[in-house]
Amino acid sequence: AQSVTQLGSHVSVSEGALVLLRCNYSSSVPPYLFWYVQYPNQGLQLLLKYTTGATLVKGINGFEAEFKKSETSFHLTKPSAHMSDAAEYFCAVSAVRGNKLVFGAGTILRVKS
Amino acid sequence: DGGITQSPKYLFRKEGQNVTLSCEQNLNHDAMYWYRQDPGQGLRLIYYSQIVNDFQKGDIAEGYSVSREKKESFPLTVTSAQKNPTAFYLCASSIQGSGYEQYFGPGTRLTVT
Repeated sequence: AQSVTQLGSHVSVSEGALVLLRCNYSSSVPPYLFWYVQYPNQGLQLLLKYTTGATLVKGINGFEAEFKKSETSFHLTKPSAHMSDAAEYFCAVSAVRGNKLVFGAGTILRVKS
Repeated sequence: DGGITQSPKYLFRKEGQNVTLSCEQNLNHDAMYWYRQDPGQGLRLIYYSQIVNDFQKGDIAEGYSVSREKKESFPLTVTSAQKNPTAFYLCASSIQGSGYEQYFGPGTRLTVT
């Protein structure tokens, strides 16, 4: 069975500071990994995904994530936080076979001015 | 514009009533999904469908029912058997196959009193 653990249900950073949201996964097969962002009372929007190939993945809005198989991690980073980055972020994993996603519990990012 | 629509945005019902949530997509996707979102619990899969006239239970299907008579539509009925139906419901769709991201609708917030 697959699972996702997001460390820290709430993360607070100052505007302009580094954003680091942590995600660890468990999968018995090579995984596909995703990060989504959700603004209040809205659906989820894909930030980036890892399938195969380059382990450093760049996404929208200046975010990137690195797949580290040895650490079973897929942490999300952004060099400089903007106020508009305040939202909830979800990490998700899917099996090589099939479409189903397993989501982490989410991390709410607060950006302080 | 291609996308997923969910209606209504907010829905209020009395306890004991069945209610149907609408989900329509014009992305020509074969696979569709229903998730329930509760604070601090991430997204949990209720039902999914990989093809018309076929669907499978997800992790929390009890008290819910679905149909998939058309490729574009995947309505969810919350029955009176669902013990705690108040939640935010999200519909998603994707290309059938491994590694494809899911596209989400804007969600329906259901309140049952």
